[in-house]
Amino acid sequence: KNQVEQSPQSLIILEGKNCTLQCNYTVSPFSNLRWYKQDTGRGPVSLTIMTFSENTKSNGRYTATLDADTKQSSLHITASQLSDSASYICVVSEMGGATNKLIFGTGTLLAVQP
Amino acid sequence: EAGVTQFPSHSVIEKGQTVTLRCDPISGHDNLYWYRRVMGKEIKFLLHFVKESKQDESGMPNNRFLAERTGGTYSTLKVQPAELEDSGVYFCASSQVKNPYEQYFGPGTRLTVT
Repeated sequence: KNQVEQSPQSLIILEGKNCTLQCNYTVSPFSNLRWYKQDTGRGPVSLTIMTFSENTKSNGRYTATLDADTKQSSLHITASQLSDSASYICVVSEMGGATNKLIFGTGTLLAVQP
Repeated sequence: EAGVTQFPSHSVIEKGQTVTLRCDPISGHDNLYWYRRVMGKEIKFLLHFVKESKQDESGMPNNRFLAERTGGTYSTLKVQPAELEDSGVYFCASSQVKNPYEQYFGPGTRLTVT
Protein backbone atom coordinates (compact mmCIF):
# COMPACT_ATOMS: atom_id res chain seq x y z
CA LYS A 1 0.00 0.00 0.00
CA ASN A 2 1.37 3.40 -0.95
CA GLN A 3 1.82 5.55 2.11
CA VAL A 4 3.28 8.87 3.15
CA GLU A 5 4.22 9.34 6.78
CA GLN A 6 5.25 12.59 8.41
CA SER A 7 6.89 13.55 11.65
CA PRO A 8 6.48 15.18 14.00
CA GLN A 9 2.69 15.41 14.13
CA SER A 10 2.96 18.84 15.69
CA LEU A 11 5.68 21.29 16.54
CA ILE A 12 5.93 24.52 18.48
CA ILE A 13 8.87 26.86 17.91
CA LEU A 14 9.73 30.44 18.76
CA GLU A 15 9.71 33.11 16.11
CA GLY A 16 13.06 33.41 14.40
CA LYS A 17 14.09 29.81 15.03
CA ASN A 18 14.66 27.15 12.39
CA CYS A 19 12.89 23.81 12.14
CA THR A 20 12.92 20.66 10.03
CA LEU A 21 9.95 18.50 9.14
CA GLN A 22 10.31 14.91 7.97
CA CYS A 23 8.52 12.78 5.40
CA ASN A 24 8.95 9.10 4.59
CA TYR A 25 7.12 7.48 1.71
CA THR A 26 6.61 4.05 0.21
CA VAL A 27 4.97 5.20 -3.03
CA SER A 28 6.27 3.30 -6.02
CA PRO A 29 6.83 3.97 -8.81
CA PHE A 30 7.59 7.50 -7.73
CA SER A 31 7.05 10.54 -9.91
CA ASN A 32 7.50 13.61 -7.77
CA LEU A 33 7.26 14.87 -4.22
CA ARG A 34 5.98 18.20 -3.10
CA TRP A 35 5.45 20.05 0.11
CA TYR A 36 2.24 21.97 0.64
CA LYS A 37 1.40 24.61 3.22
CA GLN A 38 -2.17 24.67 4.44
CA ASP A 39 -3.37 27.60 6.48
CA THR A 40 -6.42 27.10 8.67
CA GLY A 41 -9.59 27.25 6.58
CA ARG A 42 -7.71 27.37 3.30
CA GLY A 43 -6.74 24.86 0.66
CA PRO A 44 -3.18 23.49 0.39
CA VAL A 45 -0.69 25.67 -1.48
CA SER A 46 2.37 24.17 -3.13
CA LEU A 47 5.75 25.24 -1.72
CA THR A 48 8.21 23.02 -3.57
CA ILE A 49 8.17 20.15 -6.01
CA MET A 50 11.00 17.71 -6.68
CA THR A 51 11.37 14.95 -9.19
CA PHE A 52 13.37 11.75 -8.79
CA SER A 53 16.61 13.37 -9.99
CA GLU A 54 16.46 16.42 -7.72
CA ASN A 55 17.74 16.33 -4.16
CA THR A 56 17.11 19.89 -3.03
CA LYS A 57 14.78 22.73 -3.89
CA SER A 58 14.39 26.12 -2.24
CA ASN A 59 11.56 28.60 -2.12
CA GLY A 60 12.53 31.59 -0.03
CA ARG A 61 12.98 30.48 3.55
CA TYR A 62 11.75 26.98 2.69
CA THR A 63 14.25 24.32 1.58
CA ALA A 64 13.17 20.81 0.72
CA THR A 65 15.49 17.84 0.35
CA LEU A 66 14.84 14.47 -1.22
CA ASP A 67 16.68 11.16 -0.93
CA ALA A 68 14.99 8.89 -3.47
CA ASP A 69 17.11 5.92 -2.39
CA THR A 70 15.91 5.97 1.21
CA LYS A 71 12.54 7.49 0.22
CA GLN A 72 12.87 10.35 2.63
CA SER A 73 12.27 14.06 2.33
CA SER A 74 12.61 16.98 4.68
CA LEU A 75 11.38 20.55 4.72
CA HIS A 76 13.60 23.06 6.48
CA ILE A 77 12.18 26.42 7.49
CA THR A 78 14.69 29.14 8.25
CA ALA A 79 14.13 32.13 10.49
CA SER A 80 10.51 31.25 11.18
CA GLN A 81 7.80 33.89 11.17
CA LEU A 82 4.41 33.95 12.84
CA SER A 83 2.83 33.53 9.40
CA ASP A 84 4.56 30.17 9.04
CA SER A 85 2.05 28.73 11.51
CA ALA A 86 0.16 26.19 9.41
CA SER A 87 -0.07 22.52 8.51
CA TYR A 88 2.72 21.29 6.24
CA ILE A 89 1.78 18.35 4.08
CA CYS A 90 4.10 16.04 2.16
CA VAL A 91 2.48 14.79 -1.05
CA VAL A 92 3.82 12.13 -3.38
CA SER A 93 2.69 11.42 -6.93
CA GLU A 94 2.68 7.99 -8.48
CA MET A 95 4.31 7.65 -11.85
CA GLY A 96 2.21 6.57 -14.77
CA GLY A 97 -1.41 5.61 -14.87
CA ALA A 98 -4.28 7.46 -16.42
CA THR A 99 -4.72 9.86 -13.57
CA ASN A 100 -2.46 12.19 -11.65
CA LYS A 101 -3.29 10.89 -8.22
CA LEU A 102 -1.67 12.58 -5.25
CA ILE A 103 -0.99 10.66 -2.06
CA PHE A 104 -1.01 12.85 1.02
CA GLY A 105 0.67 12.58 4.38
CA THR A 106 -1.27 13.53 7.50
CA GLY A 107 0.75 16.70 7.88
CA THR A 108 2.81 18.41 10.55
CA LEU A 109 1.04 21.17 12.43
CA LEU A 110 3.52 23.97 13.06
CA ALA A 111 2.89 26.73 15.56
CA VAL A 112 5.30 29.66 15.63
CA GLN A 113 5.07 31.66 18.84
CA PRO A 114 6.33 35.18 19.49
CA GLU B 1 -6.57 35.23 -12.31
CA ALA B 2 -9.24 33.73 -10.07
CA GLY B 3 -8.31 30.61 -8.19
CA VAL B 4 -10.35 27.50 -7.57
CA THR B 5 -13.57 28.37 -5.78
CA GLN B 6 -15.88 26.14 -3.82
CA PHE B 7 -19.38 26.59 -2.54
CA PRO B 8 -20.60 26.47 0.14
CA SER B 9 -17.74 27.00 2.57
CA HIS B 10 -19.65 25.22 5.29
CA SER B 11 -22.68 22.93 5.30
CA VAL B 12 -24.44 21.34 8.23
CA ILE B 13 -27.07 18.76 7.40
CA GLU B 14 -28.86 15.95 9.13
CA LYS B 15 -28.24 12.31 8.45
CA GLY B 16 -30.34 11.18 5.51
CA GLN B 17 -30.44 14.56 3.83
CA THR B 18 -28.88 15.47 0.51
CA VAL B 19 -26.09 17.97 -0.04
CA THR B 20 -24.51 19.24 -3.24
CA LEU B 21 -21.07 20.76 -3.27
CA ARG B 22 -19.84 22.90 -6.14
CA CYS B 23 -16.38 23.54 -7.50
CA ASP B 24 -15.36 26.11 -10.09
CA PRO B 25 -11.86 25.34 -11.39
CA ILE B 26 -9.37 27.81 -12.75
CA SER B 27 -10.42 28.84 -16.24
CA GLY B 28 -8.73 26.68 -18.87
CA HIS B 29 -7.94 23.82 -16.49
CA ASP B 30 -9.30 20.64 -18.00
CA ASN B 31 -8.28 18.47 -15.05
CA LEU B 32 -10.52 18.65 -12.02
CA TYR B 33 -10.12 16.58 -8.88
CA TRP B 34 -12.14 16.00 -5.74
CA TYR B 35 -10.46 15.12 -2.45
CA ARG B 36 -11.73 14.61 1.08
CA ARG B 37 -10.20 14.95 4.51
CA VAL B 38 -12.03 13.32 7.37
CA MET B 39 -11.19 14.20 10.96
CA GLY B 40 -7.67 13.18 11.94
CA LYS B 41 -6.90 11.55 8.62
CA GLU B 42 -4.94 12.53 5.55
CA ILE B 43 -6.48 14.09 2.48
CA LYS B 44 -7.61 11.35 0.13
CA PHE B 45 -8.36 11.29 -3.56
CA LEU B 46 -11.98 10.81 -4.62
CA LEU B 47 -12.08 11.25 -8.37
CA HIS B 48 -10.59 12.94 -11.40
CA PHE B 49 -12.31 14.56 -14.39
CA VAL B 50 -10.72 15.44 -17.69
CA LYS B 51 -13.13 17.96 -19.13
CA GLU B 52 -16.53 16.33 -18.66
CA SER B 53 -15.26 12.74 -18.56
CA LYS B 54 -14.52 10.79 -15.40
CA GLN B 55 -10.92 9.63 -15.73
CA ASP B 56 -10.66 7.88 -12.39
CA GLU B 57 -13.31 7.49 -9.72
CA SER B 58 -11.56 4.80 -7.71
CA GLY B 59 -11.58 6.90 -4.56
CA MET B 60 -15.33 7.39 -4.37
CA PRO B 61 -16.40 5.69 -1.13
CA ASN B 62 -19.77 4.33 -2.27
CA ASN B 63 -22.73 4.94 -4.54
CA ARG B 64 -24.14 7.62 -2.26
CA PHE B 65 -21.62 9.96 -3.86
CA LEU B 66 -22.24 11.29 -7.36
CA ALA B 67 -19.93 13.70 -9.16
CA GLU B 68 -20.74 15.50 -12.37
CA ARG B 69 -19.02 17.98 -14.61
CA THR B 70 -21.49 18.78 -17.34
CA GLY B 71 -19.97 20.91 -20.06
CA GLY B 72 -16.49 20.43 -18.66
CA THR B 73 -16.52 23.58 -16.57
CA TYR B 74 -17.72 23.53 -12.97
CA SER B 75 -18.30 20.30 -11.07
CA THR B 76 -20.75 19.18 -8.44
CA LEU B 77 -20.44 16.47 -5.84
CA LYS B 78 -23.72 15.22 -4.43
CA VAL B 79 -24.04 13.12 -1.32
CA GLN B 80 -27.39 11.36 -1.03
CA PRO B 81 -28.35 10.28 1.56
CA ALA B 82 -25.66 11.69 3.83
CA GLU B 83 -24.29 9.59 6.68
CA LEU B 84 -22.38 10.66 9.79
CA GLU B 85 -19.08 9.33 8.41
CA ASP B 86 -19.36 11.66 5.43
CA SER B 87 -18.40 14.59 7.64
CA GLY B 88 -15.13 16.18 6.66
CA VAL B 89 -13.60 18.79 4.41
CA TYR B 90 -14.06 18.32 0.68
CA PHE B 91 -11.40 19.90 -1.50
CA CYS B 92 -11.47 20.51 -5.19
CA ALA B 93 -8.33 21.03 -7.26
CA SER B 94 -7.66 21.76 -10.90
CA SER B 95 -4.69 21.59 -13.23
CA GLN B 96 -3.77 22.01 -16.84
CA VAL B 97 -3.43 18.94 -19.04
CA LYS B 98 0.13 19.96 -19.98
CA ASN B 99 1.15 20.20 -16.30
CA PRO B 100 -1.13 17.76 -14.50
CA TYR B 101 0.83 17.50 -11.25
CA GLU B 102 0.63 21.24 -10.57
CA GLN B 103 -2.74 21.11 -8.90
CA TYR B 104 -4.30 24.23 -7.44
CA PHE B 105 -6.63 23.67 -4.52
CA GLY B 106 -9.78 25.43 -3.52
CA PRO B 107 -10.47 26.43 0.10
CA GLY B 108 -12.63 23.39 0.70
CA THR B 109 -16.19 22.81 1.87
CA ARG B 110 -16.56 21.72 5.47
CA LEU B 111 -19.45 19.25 5.66
CA THR B 112 -20.92 18.30 9.00
CA VAL B 113 -23.55 15.57 9.14
CA THR B 114 -25.43 15.41 12.44
